[in-house]
Amino acid sequence: DAGVIQSPRHEVTEMGQEVTLRCKPISGHDYLFWYRQTMMRGLELLIYFNNNVPIDDSGMPEDRFSAKMPNASFSTLKIQPSEPRDSAVYFCASSPRVNEQFFGPGTRLTVL
Amino acid sequence: GESVGLHLPTLSVQEGDNSIINCAYSNSASDYFIWYKQESGKGPQFIIDIRSNMDKRQGQRVTVLLNKTVKHLSLQIAATQPGDSAVYFCAETSGSARQLTFGSGTQLTVLP
Repeated sequence: DAGVIQSPRHEVTEMGQEVTLRCKPISGHDYLFWYRQTMMRGLELLIYFNNNVPIDDSGMPEDRFSAKMPNASFSTLKIQPSEPRDSAVYFCASSPRVNEQFFGPGTRLTVL
Repeated sequence: GESVGLHLPTLSVQEGDNSIINCAYSNSASDYFIWYKQESGKGPQFIIDIRSNMDKRQGQRVTVLLNKTVKHLSLQIAATQPGDSAVYFCAETSGSARQLTFGSGTQLTVLP
């Protein structure tokens, strides 16, 4: 198994631009999580899905952030418009059952 | 007060020595705990887990100890190797909740 796949690995964009991060979970995993990691706040859960349905999005910072999971093998996290304070590493993780989560390599986002 | 960034606890050990990484958790209802290892530029990687009905669990070169009375978790790494250098996070969750709450992490550095 290739594990959780994220793209792009690095993204540099200018303030105000739209950013789309992509994730392919491990096949057969019913849960998908989006996290953000910064030096200031550590690892924060943004949103998670169960069977493609968003369950808890209370960690999403504001309306500029949105996430979708159109099918079991693909999810996106979109930031529109992006701001410098959104600069962070964004991780996607998937899980087959209670609690165990497998993380992707992350996308390092820099907003100038 | 105003946060100026996470101050990661650090632990430096000589190669071949044993390492002990500690974690205090706050939720007395937490009943499942995981240790993750995060190497530079990578996503967190599952190391070992433990449920609250246990106080000790062993893996390959790693042991997790749980003290529910004082809400303390520790990770012991035997015969620490250079490849063990990383940031180690504890994570907790409770009941049917899907969300993991991550600690701030400890930076382990293995000295030659």
